[in-house]
Amino acid sequence: DSGVTQTPKHLITATGQRVTLRCSPRSGDLSVYWYQQSLDQGLQFLIQYYNGEERAKGNILERFSAQQFPDLHSELNLSSLELGDSALYFCASSVEGGLYTGELFFGEGSRLTVL
Amino acid sequence: AQRVTQPEKLLSVFKGAPVELKCNYSYSGSPELFWYVQYSRQRLQLLLRHISRESIKGFTADLNKGETSFHLKKPFAQEEDSAMYYCALRNQGGKLIFGQGTELSVKP
Repeated sequence: DSGVTQTPKHLITATGQRVTLRCSPRSGDLSVYWYQQSLDQGLQFLIQYYNGEERAKGNILERFSAQQFPDLHSELNLSSLELGDSALYFCASSVEGGLYTGELFFGEGSRLTVL
Repeated sequence: AQRVTQPEKLLSVFKGAPVELKCNYSYSGSPELFWYVQYSRQRLQLLLRHISRESIKGFTADLNKGETSFHLKKPFAQEEDSAMYYCALRNQGGKLIFGQGTELSVKP
C-alpha cells in the first residue's frame, strides 16, 4: 500500500504519559498534516510540515509537538496526557506545498485512549 | 475568524430523493472550498473542489460568495451515498479547515 500509513492504529495509555504517533506520507508527497478528531470538536487542524519545515500551525497545544524527518515521515508527540486528549489523530499528505496545497490524502488514523 | 459550519449533524433521506448538505463559511479572503467524504470503513477522501466545477458521483456544489455557502447537492440520492461528509476551506496560508461533518443516511 503506497498510501498514507499511520502507526499505531490503537493506543491506550494513562494520564501524564507521553506517546508518539508516526506517519509515513504517500510516496512523493512533501507535505504532512496532522488533525485531531474528537466527538465534540470534529476535525481540528493541528500542524502542517512541508519538506521538513513547519508550514502552518493550528490549535496545537504546547504539550504537543511534531516534526518531519529527512525521509519525510512525521511524528506527533503528545506529552503530559490528559483524558481530553483521547481522540482519533489523522495524518494526511499532499504532493504540493507552499501557499496552495492540493488534495489531501488521509491515513486511517491512530486512536488514542487516555485512561 | 475562519470557520466552516455544517449545521446538520445528521441528514436522513429516502433513496431517489434530492439531497442537500449545507455548508457555510467565514473567511475574509478568497477561499478554496472542498467536500470530503468518508464511507464506512474507508479513509477520508476528496469528493470535489469548487475550483474544478466538476460533478462527482452525481454530486455538485456551487460556491455562493454572497451567501458564503458551498452546499453539496445531488438530485437523486442512492444508498451507496450514505457516508460522513465534510466541508473544508483552505485559506491562503495553506491551512485546510474542516466543518463538523454531516452524516448522510440514505434509506431504501
